[in-house]
Amino acid sequence: NAGVTQTPKFRVLKTGQSMTLLCAQDMNHEYMYWYRQDPGMGLRLIHYSVGEGTTAKGEVPDGYNVSRLKKQNFLLGLESAAPSQTSVYFCASSDRDGQPQHFGDGTRLSIL
Amino acid sequence: AQKITQTQPGMFVQEKEAVTLDCTYDTSDPSYGLFWYKQPSSGEMIFLIYQGSYDQQNATEGRYSLNFQKARKSANLVISASQLGDSAMYFCAISNTNAGKSTFGDGTTLTVKP
Repeated sequence: NAGVTQTPKFRVLKTGQSMTLLCAQDMNHEYMYWYRQDPGMGLRLIHYSVGEGTTAKGEVPDGYNVSRLKKQNFLLGLESAAPSQTSVYFCASSDRDGQPQHFGDGTRLSIL
Repeated sequence: AQKITQTQPGMFVQEKEAVTLDCTYDTSDPSYGLFWYKQPSSGEMIFLIYQGSYDQQNATEGRYSLNFQKARKSANLVISASQLGDSAMYFCAISNTNAGKSTFGDGTTLTVKP
């Protein structure tokens, strides 16, 4: 039972570099979410998707882009990484809105 | 807009005792879900318990129960018979139905003392 899988688990980038975080879920969930968690804080919603081909902005979308070309995958892109984007990134999914979310194990991203 | 407030940055409890973690929320949506998640030091997010805004009874899941007081907009988590493995960060969250957005509180660090 894989659930929600995030790749990579760790990454170090230099300022200005770009990268894509991949989230894959095998539960056939409609809803998927990307969060960031800064030290000592809760999760903040970056972007979310309510179904294949749809995306929407969350609380802190600036500097990130997302795509949901397939129902099972939700990609988070950083076009030009900045040190302020150093964080732990979590992906989650749920079968519908207002229901418990299943989380991946997180990606620890450091930007130097 | 929706908001979650967790006023206890840190809590201590003796092993085998019960503990209540506070959570208040604010939302203008009549339909929503309230959640508690546990984040141990290893970092993963573990779903504990869920309460729907229209549920008449308080949710329970094993040693976890949610004290839902809708009029006061509070959704406190009660952990009975605390265990050392309960030491972790606990997050309260709200998700409005038909909106797709979820909001988390800043968390409460629970330490269970032997």
